[in-house]
Amino acid sequence: RKEVEQDPGPFNVPEGATVAFNCTYSNSASQSFFWYRQDCRKEPKLLMSVYSSGNEDGRFTAQLNRASQYISLLIRDSKLSDSATYLCVVLGDTGRRALTFGSGTRLQVQP
Amino acid sequence: DAGITQSPRHKVTETGTPVTLRCHQTENHRYMYWYRQDPGHGLRLIHYSYGVKDTDKGEVSDGYSVSRSKTEDFLLTLESATSSQTSVYFCAIYSPKGADGELFFGEGSRLTVL
Repeated sequence: RKEVEQDPGPFNVPEGATVAFNCTYSNSASQSFFWYRQDCRKEPKLLMSVYSSGNEDGRFTAQLNRASQYISLLIRDSKLSDSATYLCVVLGDTGRRALTFGSGTRLQVQP
Repeated sequence: DAGITQSPRHKVTETGTPVTLRCHQTENHRYMYWYRQDPGHGLRLIHYSYGVKDTDKGEVSDGYSVSRSKTEDFLLTLESATSSQTSVYFCAIYSPKGADGELFFGEGSRLTVL
């Protein structure tokens, strides 16, 4: 079983739609959680951290459920520029500062 | 801009040849990492480093070695390249800034082993 699992998609949605991505992780001792965004043939970049209380950054909302070991990302009012692969990322060992990445969910926003 | 550069950015080589990828940072960060990215697998950790001459293995370290003789440089070596090592390799540094810190990536090195 992979440490971090995501639905690979692709998710094809029209502009303006709301779309949600889910992610599960296997290590219950995981410390920190993130969503990274990766554009085609580019390096991943941090989108946002994920907190137990839930957090929002503009059109993006991230939630964490530690009991279920589940992370989500909600994108409201999708833009064409949101088209990318979204990577669920977990920090399992704070000593190593090494992050474990999901395989990513691809989003294609269509006009 | 996290000041990370990778070289070479693209390389085509033949099976059995040695290959070294270089990661250079200008920010004096302690933690550095090498990941590989393949379709269906996402990013997988190869090796990482806590500091000069302090390295450790990641989940896919077989066939790879690393060296860090200076804070700013982290080298990844394939002693004898195989076709299964065809991949995109990303170097990353960990920056402790902000509440949770952040991993910054280089632009990637695309390696093709024929």
